[in-house]
Amino acid sequence: DVKVTQSSRYLVKRTGEKVFLECVQDMDHENMFWYRQDPGLGLRLIYFSYDVKMKEKGDIPEGYSVSREKKERFSLILESASTNQTSMYLCASSPGGSNSPLHFGNGTRLTVT
Amino acid sequence: KNEVEQSPQNLTAQEGEFITINCSYSVGISALHWLQQHPGGGIVSLFMLSSGKKKHGRLIATINIQEKHSSLHITASHPRDSAVYICAVRGGGSNYKLTFGKGTLLTVNP
Repeated sequence: DVKVTQSSRYLVKRTGEKVFLECVQDMDHENMFWYRQDPGLGLRLIYFSYDVKMKEKGDIPEGYSVSREKKERFSLILESASTNQTSMYLCASSPGGSNSPLHFGNGTRLTVT
Repeated sequence: KNEVEQSPQNLTAQEGEFITINCSYSVGISALHWLQQHPGGGIVSLFMLSSGKKKHGRLIATINIQEKHSSLHITASHPRDSAVYICAVRGGGSNYKLTFGKGTLLTVNP
């Protein structure tokens, strides 16, 4: 079974802090994604990566950056956290090719105060 | 940009009832996903389909490419089916991005 592990289930940070959200997958998947999920807005793509050191902006990249130094790990970075980044963050991975099923982590609920 | 509409937004059923959740999209796609999210939980992929019909246990997903419409059916519903069901579509070509519907909250009462 594919396992996508997000390092924290709940996280509380202060405005202005630098925040790292980590995601690790164990199935050698090429593609990895970061989404945020907000009530009434559904899931929105922040960034995705289709290979090591390769990344592309999603629909809402502002205020975020990502890092993929190793194939299994995809990190989401909030350079200076703001209250409007309070959200549920979901990581996902999929094998190579655009028509592959997604495997999601359990999510990180981030609160920025 | 593809617009994905799900209906209904909320659905309450009694245990044993047959459930249908609908998903419509505006632009041609290469694949459609149905996802399930339990309260406080992660998201599980139920189906990925590009044509026809797929069945897994009590769940059936169908897609009509011409009509740009998909349905998710649950037969003999059970309280453990209570969850948010999300439809997501992927465009053609090498586009990795999915466009998500806002989800349907299903509550099945015993």
